[in-house]
Amino acid sequence: AQSVTQLDSQVPVFEEAPVELRCNYSSSVSVYLFWYVQYPNQGLQLLLKYLSGSTLVKGINGFEAEFNKSQTSFHLRKPSVHISDTAEYFCAVTPQGNEKLTFGTGTRLTIIP
Amino acid sequence: DAGITQSPRHKVTETGTPVTLRCHQTENHRYMYWYRQDPGHGLRLIHYSYGVKDTDKGEVSDGYSVSRSKTEDFLLTLESATSSQTSVYFCAISSRGYYEQYFGPGTRLTVT
Repeated sequence: AQSVTQLDSQVPVFEEAPVELRCNYSSSVSVYLFWYVQYPNQGLQLLLKYLSGSTLVKGINGFEAEFNKSQTSFHLRKPSVHISDTAEYFCAVTPQGNEKLTFGTGTRLTIIP
Repeated sequence: DAGITQSPRHKVTETGTPVTLRCHQTENHRYMYWYRQDPGHGLRLIHYSYGVKDTDKGEVSDGYSVSRSKTEDFLLTLESATSSQTSVYFCAISSRGYYEQYFGPGTRLTVT
C-alpha cells in the first residue's frame, strides 16, 4: 500500500513571496505523482503530474514540482504567489499501472496582502 | 472543464433515511470514482467503477453501495444514513492509461 504525507496543514505566505508545499510519499513500488488544487467551494483541478521523464514538472498557474526518488518527495513550488493562489492543495500518488489515487490530507495556502 | 455533473448539490436528510447521489459524465470515460472529503482527512475513496456493472470497494466503503448501469452514470447510495456520513462527496472520472482524474463540483450532504 502507498501513503502520502503533507506535513503542513496551513501555510501563510506574503503576496509575491515564494512558496514551497511539501509532499512525501511511501510506496514499495514505482509511482505516479500528482498535485491538485481546490478553490473555495469547488472541486479539485489538476495542477501537474509526474509520470516519467524529467523530474522537474511544470504545471498551470506558474507552479512546478520536483520528483526526488531518493527522498520520496514531490514538493510543489511557486516563485511568486498571488492572492488568487489562495486555495487548498492536495498531493496524490498511485502505483504505476494503477488507476486509484491516494490523497494527502491537504495544505491550505493563505496569501497575505 | 470535463463534463461532470453531480446531483443534488446540497442535501439535508435525517438519520436512517436512504440517500442516492448521482454522478453524470458526458466524456465517455471508463473509470468513475466516489470520494468523501472531511477536514483533516483529505479525500478518501469510497467506491470506484472500471466499467458498466464493474465496481469495487475503496478504503471507506462501509455503509455505502454503488451502481453503474450506463457508462455515463455512477450512483452512490447510503442505505441508512448516519451522522458520520455528513460530508462533501466528490465524483471523479478518468480514462485508462491517463491516470489523472477530473472532478465534479461536489455534493454537500448533511445528516441530522
